[in-house]
Amino acid sequence: DAGVTQSPTHLIKTRGQHVTLRCSPISGHKSVSWYQQVLGQGPQFIFQYYEKEERGRGNFPDRFSARQFPNYSSELNVNALLLGDSALYLCASTFYGGNTEAFFGQGTRLTVV
Amino acid sequence: KNEVEQSPQNLTAQEGEFITINCSYSVGISALHWLQQHPGGGIVSLFMLSSGKKKHGRLIATINIQEKHSSLHITASHPRDSAVYICAVTPLGGSQGNLIFGKGTKLSVKP
Repeated sequence: DAGVTQSPTHLIKTRGQHVTLRCSPISGHKSVSWYQQVLGQGPQFIFQYYEKEERGRGNFPDRFSARQFPNYSSELNVNALLLGDSALYLCASTFYGGNTEAFFGQGTRLTVV
Repeated sequence: KNEVEQSPQNLTAQEGEFITINCSYSVGISALHWLQQHPGGGIVSLFMLSSGKKKHGRLIATINIQEKHSSLHITASHPRDSAVYICAVTPLGGSQGNLIFGKGTKLSVKP
């Protein structure tokens, strides 16, 4: 079974541009979460999606949005990029509910210049 | 003050040493996670625990719910253990997809 896959692995964008990051969960997992990890910090929760609905949102501006598709893959979109959006964006997949662990992808390294 | 605090922030050890990383949290939790992050960025789950102690190979994780404290121990450390170790918690009423993370402990094991 493939693990959690994220694409692209690295990305360079200019301030003001828009970016779309993609995540495919582990087969059988229906919940996808997105985290932002700035250099030297722990990951910060952005969104959780389950069955195509938003189930949780962290303290991020409306420039950040996400969606989940019928095959449970997910996209994270960020509009009007700022230099401060430069970070590692991690996707995690879980069963929703119950006491099971989260599985993480390798992340997308976004650099905004 | 962060809801999840780890210590130390950085740790250098000689191969073979016994290592302890500590995690304290201030919120009610349903589970605590120890995770490993290598320089490439990907995160691997080491343990998820809600009480007592778990062991996997040379790694041992303990949690004291009353004291809101957990420790990760590495016995007979090896250079390949060099990584960032992150403590994260699932807050009460939350799900495993909405974790609160500590800042991590960067471990370097020298041969």
